[in-house]
Amino acid sequence: KAGVTQTPRYLIKTRGQQVTLSCSPISGHRSVSWYQQTPGQGLQFLFEYFSETQRNKGNFPGRFSGRQFSNSRSEMNVSTLELGDSALYLCASSLEGSGSPLGWEQYFGPGTRLTVT
Amino acid sequence: AQKITQTQPGMFVQEKEAVTLDCTYDTSDQSYGLFWYKQPSSGEMIFLIYQGSYDEQNATEGRYSLNFQKARKSANLVISASQLGDSAMYFCAMREGSFGNEKLTFGTGTRLTIIP
Repeated sequence: KAGVTQTPRYLIKTRGQQVTLSCSPISGHRSVSWYQQTPGQGLQFLFEYFSETQRNKGNFPGRFSGRQFSNSRSEMNVSTLELGDSALYLCASSLEGSGSPLGWEQYFGPGTRLTVT
Repeated sequence: AQKITQTQPGMFVQEKEAVTLDCTYDTSDQSYGLFWYKQPSSGEMIFLIYQGSYDEQNATEGRYSLNFQKARKSANLVISASQLGDSAMYFCAMREGSFGNEKLTFGTGTRLTIIP
């Protein structure tokens, strides 16, 4: 079974631009979560999508948004990029997502490394 | 307050020795889950092991075991017979929250280096 894939793997953008990152979950998984990883703040939860609906959201400004399609693929968008948005963005998929009694085991993709100049 | 605390920023261990990575957590929930992930330099987070708060037995997965001490709010990862390929960042994480509103909170990680 193919793992979680994220595209692109590397991205360089200029301050003020906007960016869209893509995540394809493991086949059959319906939940996709996004995380931001920086040296200063560590790993922080952005949001979770389940069946095309945002179910959970972390403490990030409205410039960070996402969506999920009917095939469970998810996109994350960051508008008006700031230097501090430079980070590794990780996507994780799970079978049922939060609320599942099964333990919510998440499988991560390789990440997209975004550099804002 | 930190929800997940990993007090060892870095560790150096001789190959084939056992290693314990510390993790303490803070939650008032009765139902929660604890995870350990490995992150090699490639960046991908690899799931290692899971322990539910109601599980009475310590979780084990091959060379990985989780030393769960609920009263002390401790969930240490034990790697037996370490290998060079175990060199990586290791993150402890906790799942908490109400049904359908849960999220994972990660610790700051421990960088483990296995010495040949």
